[in-house]
Amino acid sequence: AAGVIQSPRHLIKEKRETATLKCYPIPRHDTVYWYQQGPGQDPQFLISFYEKMQSDKGSIPDRFSAQQFSDYHSELNMSSLELGDSALYFCASSALESNEQFFGPGTRLTVL
Amino acid sequence: GENVEQHPSTLSVQEGDSAVIKCTYSDSASNYFPWYKQELGKGPQLIIDIRSNVGEKKDQRIAVTLNKTAKHFSLHITETQPEDSAVYFCAASLMRRHALNFGKGTSLLVTP
Repeated sequence: AAGVIQSPRHLIKEKRETATLKCYPIPRHDTVYWYQQGPGQDPQFLISFYEKMQSDKGSIPDRFSAQQFSDYHSELNMSSLELGDSALYFCASSALESNEQFFGPGTRLTVL
Repeated sequence: GENVEQHPSTLSVQEGDSAVIKCTYSDSASNYFPWYKQELGKGPQLIIDIRSNVGEKKDQRIAVTLNKTAKHFSLHITETQPEDSAVYFCAASLMRRHALNFGKGTSLLVTP
């Protein structure tokens, strides 16, 4: 079965640089979610989108922004990167009228 | 906001034994409670979930129980196998297309 696709899988950036993470949801899933997971931590919700509109917002820094496109894929844009932004970033997707969130393999971001 | 507490943080059992992980939540409006299994370097995998109108759900060796009055829910794994070794997260959510609030996770080790 098709799963959530995230790219890139690994990303290394310098402090103050920008990064763009991409997420392609499971076919026919219309809602995407972004989570950040630090080492040994639980996933922390950042933001979610449904039909290109923000549906919920969590602890997303002002330096980060995200959007969902007409084909339902989503991008997380991160600017002025800090060392503390180093983490795994997961995208999840869910289908219409469903609570179930299916996670992608994640993007490991390292900020040097 | 919703606060989910999870216990124990680590659990070691022998192959064939049962494992139980418990979670409590704070917001009585939460109505969806999934459990995820996360292996090292991978994204969380949804293994079972329960909605607030159901008290128990079972899927082969895995079962989840929910006590809405006490605001706690539990994961039961029977006949554990070494491949069950992973970090397990409980979560709670208020509504569709909104955040999952995760517990801190339980590292389960099943020894042969």
